[in-house]
Amino acid sequence: NAGVMQNPRHLVRRRGQEARLRCSPMKGHSHVYWYRQLPEEGLKFMVYLQKENIIDESGMPKERFSAEFPKEGPSILRIQQVVRGDSAAYFCASSPRGRTAMGWNTGELFFGEGSRLTVL
Amino acid sequence: RKEVEQDPGPFNVPEGATVAFNCTYSNSASQSFFWYRQDCRKEPKLLMSVYSSGNEDGRFTAQLNRASQYISLLIRDSKLSDSATYLCVVGGYGGSQGNLIFGKGTKLSVKP
Repeated sequence: NAGVMQNPRHLVRRRGQEARLRCSPMKGHSHVYWYRQLPEEGLKFMVYLQKENIIDESGMPKERFSAEFPKEGPSILRIQQVVRGDSAAYFCASSPRGRTAMGWNTGELFFGEGSRLTVL
Repeated sequence: RKEVEQDPGPFNVPEGATVAFNCTYSNSASQSFFWYRQDCRKEPKLLMSVYSSGNEDGRFTAQLNRASQYISLLIRDSKLSDSATYLCVVGGYGGSQGNLIFGKGTKLSVKP
């Protein structure tokens, strides 16, 4: 029973290039979340998606960052024209249920092992 | 005030010790509370949920004080394998737009 799969695990880009990070949620999970973890920092929420819909992108930088979760295939976090400050670990998580009006049911997000982006 | 604040540590304790971590959160409308564990360069994993009545799972006890907006985690009889960073997580500000907010974590190192 595969967990959340992220690839690539490590990605090196030069400033100005594009980075694409992919995430396949656990089987049966239709809710995907992207978090960023800077060195020595906590995880910061970026975006929450369901299939074909962006539910909450309040944590996404306004420029250069985009995310999608198509009907078929993995969720993709795309960073255009990368800068050194984008160097971080990007974690994807999935859950079988999303947020409800009463908040989280169990709080269990299943995380992938992360994609570590290094911008030279 | 940060949304979720934790003492970063590190806490260096001998095996068998009891150690307590504290966490405060800023939004009184928060609905859900959790402790996650993150090993070095690994992904976070849910350790336990935190309820107002307090809850225990083996050597781990979690407490929530809504009035003080304070969460704690107690680890008894520490094991070497408990060495990790413990993340305080708060979620659900009400409505469907809340999301899980992670603290920076408290690092624990259990020594032989």
